[in-house]
Amino acid sequence: QKEVEQDPGPLSVPEGAIVSLNCTYSNSAFQYFMWYRQYSRKGPELLMYTYSSGNKEDGRFTAQVDKSSKYISLFIRDSQPSDSATYLCAMSAVSNYQLIWGAGTKLIIKP
Amino acid sequence: GAVVSQHPSWVICKSGTSVKIECRSLDFQATTMFWYRQFPKQSLMLMATSNEGSKATYEQGVEKDKFLINHASLTLSTLTVTSAHPEDSSFYICSARTVLNTEAFFGQGTRLTVV
Repeated sequence: QKEVEQDPGPLSVPEGAIVSLNCTYSNSAFQYFMWYRQYSRKGPELLMYTYSSGNKEDGRFTAQVDKSSKYISLFIRDSQPSDSATYLCAMSAVSNYQLIWGAGTKLIIKP
Repeated sequence: GAVVSQHPSWVICKSGTSVKIECRSLDFQATTMFWYRQFPKQSLMLMATSNEGSKATYEQGVEKDKFLINHASLTLSTLTVTSAHPEDSSFYICSARTVLNTEAFFGQGTRLTVV
């Protein structure tokens, strides 16, 4: 079993829909949770960063962490075709700063 | 967010030659830099972790003599692919974390093609 599980998709939704992207993990020591967006042939871009549990909102993006369920989510409201990309979750423990990555979910927003 | 600059963005080289890729943190000090390799439609694969002033820690299966990493300062790390072969063709990405070891920022990646 991988430490971080993420459905690779592709996930295809119509423009304007709410998108839900998720990752599950097995290591209860993880404290730092991040979501990255990667366009084709580009480096990942940090979207959201959350420490421990709770919600964080930034514009159309909301990140949620449920440590009791070992489950994190990224919601995108009013999705746009420009949101089409691969979204990767990453996490690390407090004492170990190595990032553990999900496989990435390919998201397609249809105009 | 912080800026990480990676150069070159793409390079083509002949088999047997060496290629150096630079990774710079432009507006913050990065005590730790990471080098990743990414194959098409796959997630990032960590190659090595580089700490300023010390030897890099390589992941299992990564040849340290082939992928030379130097982290001479808090703002610069380099990856040199020595005696490159076509199977080394890939997308290489560097990442830098801040002194507090929290958020990680990525360079734009380098596409290496060995012919």
